[in-house]
Amino acid sequence: LAKTTQPISMDSYEGQEVNITCSHNNIATNDYITWYQQFPSQGPRFIIQGYKTKVTNEVASLFIPADRKSSTLSLPRVSLSDTAVYYCLLYNFNKFYFGSGTKLNVKP
Amino acid sequence: NAGVTQTPKFRILKIGQSMTLQCAQDMNHNYMYWYRQDPGMGLKLIYYSVGAGITDKGEVPNGYNVSRSTTEDFPLRLELAAPSQTSVYFCASSTGTGIQETQYFGPGTRLLVL
Repeated sequence: LAKTTQPISMDSYEGQEVNITCSHNNIATNDYITWYQQFPSQGPRFIIQGYKTKVTNEVASLFIPADRKSSTLSLPRVSLSDTAVYYCLLYNFNKFYFGSGTKLNVKP
Repeated sequence: NAGVTQTPKFRILKIGQSMTLQCAQDMNHNYMYWYRQDPGMGLKLIYYSVGAGITDKGEVPNGYNVSRSTTEDFPLRLELAAPSQTSVYFCASSTGTGIQETQYFGPGTRLLVL
């Protein structure tokens, strides 16, 4: 399964929009792009998943360019409770591979 | 629904001891997974199962064994505990019905091997 690359950490302030970009140059045709959120001492929680273009749900948006070699998770108006680690991974059939994730720190 | 449950929450083992980490799901999911997460790192897949009686290795299977006799349960066995197995272990499940899958994770088991 292709690997993903994300920034190790990001800082933001409450009320700002946060964009976390993930690089996946070797993405395969059948791979879906998935993002998870993990709080300390908890298991990861699904945020959003997409294949191409733009996907939006009640908590986030996912932007995927035509070549699918990268993706951007967008969190609108973050709050302190959004402080967590965010993982970008590629899903193919029955395997998920998690990278090291991006630690988002939201400041007041 | 309780979702994915794991027991125990925390365990201390001595080197060479064995134990079984329990995982159960009540969502009738076909797929189940075991991950380990070392401090400050991402999750690594140990084993997974696509249905009762079917298991396969993930990225880091050495030192572990699994079985899947029912849809609900997916225990992880450590035969000879080593300090390198000190980690947090997460069990997860997904429907396995399509190409778009969402994994649901349990609360984790913290294991310390001394």
